[in-house]
Amino acid sequence: KQEVTQIPAALSVPEGENLVLNCSFTDSAIYNLQWFRQDPGKGLTSLLLIQSSQREQTSGRLNASLDKSSGRSTLYIAASQPGDSATYLCAVSKAAGNKLTFGGGTRVLVKP
Amino acid sequence: DAGVTQSPTHLIKTRGQQVTLRCSPISGHKSVSWYQQVLGQGPQFIFQYYEKEERGRGNFPDRFSARQFPNYSSELNVNALLLGDSALYLCASSLGPSGANVLTFGAGSRLTVL
Repeated sequence: KQEVTQIPAALSVPEGENLVLNCSFTDSAIYNLQWFRQDPGKGLTSLLLIQSSQREQTSGRLNASLDKSSGRSTLYIAASQPGDSATYLCAVSKAAGNKLTFGGGTRVLVKP
Repeated sequence: DAGVTQSPTHLIKTRGQQVTLRCSPISGHKSVSWYQQVLGQGPQFIFQYYEKEERGRGNFPDRFSARQFPNYSSELNVNALLLGDSALYLCASSLGPSGANVLTFGAGSRLTVL
């Protein structure tokens, strides 16, 4: 059974500092890995999707890496801003379907 | 173009009641999935439907049921509500059920059970 873990559960950084969010999964037989952003009480916004054959994906200030063999992914957010405050979730899918298994999320607070 | 729409956005029920949540997928998407997100946790998979047939079911009791209509919209029903059913219920749609098809999520329906 796939298990996804995100550590830490919460972190607080001053504005301008780089953010590093970690995600680990127990079964390396994944099809892809996604990072989502969730604002309080809202739905999920997809940030980055990494196919299992890829090592990283970049979008603006966001960069996500994937090491499938070790079951790890890292999301980097450069030069954090107060607007980056949200919960960040990672999720993995298997090739047989697009059912997602989510981690518990990391709640981020960027202080002005 | 409209995204995934869910209704109602918020609702309050009492224990033992029944609730129906609705989801309209993105135009052209034929697969709908439902997830439950309890406060402070990540979403958990409940159901997936494709072409009106159930394609997957998570570890939820039989009080949870769903269906998909010919226009690909979907309903999630929960009977005999428990306090623990209080959660954000998320609907996601995709072109199909395979791993190559990315899910797009709606804003969710917030259910409070008193």
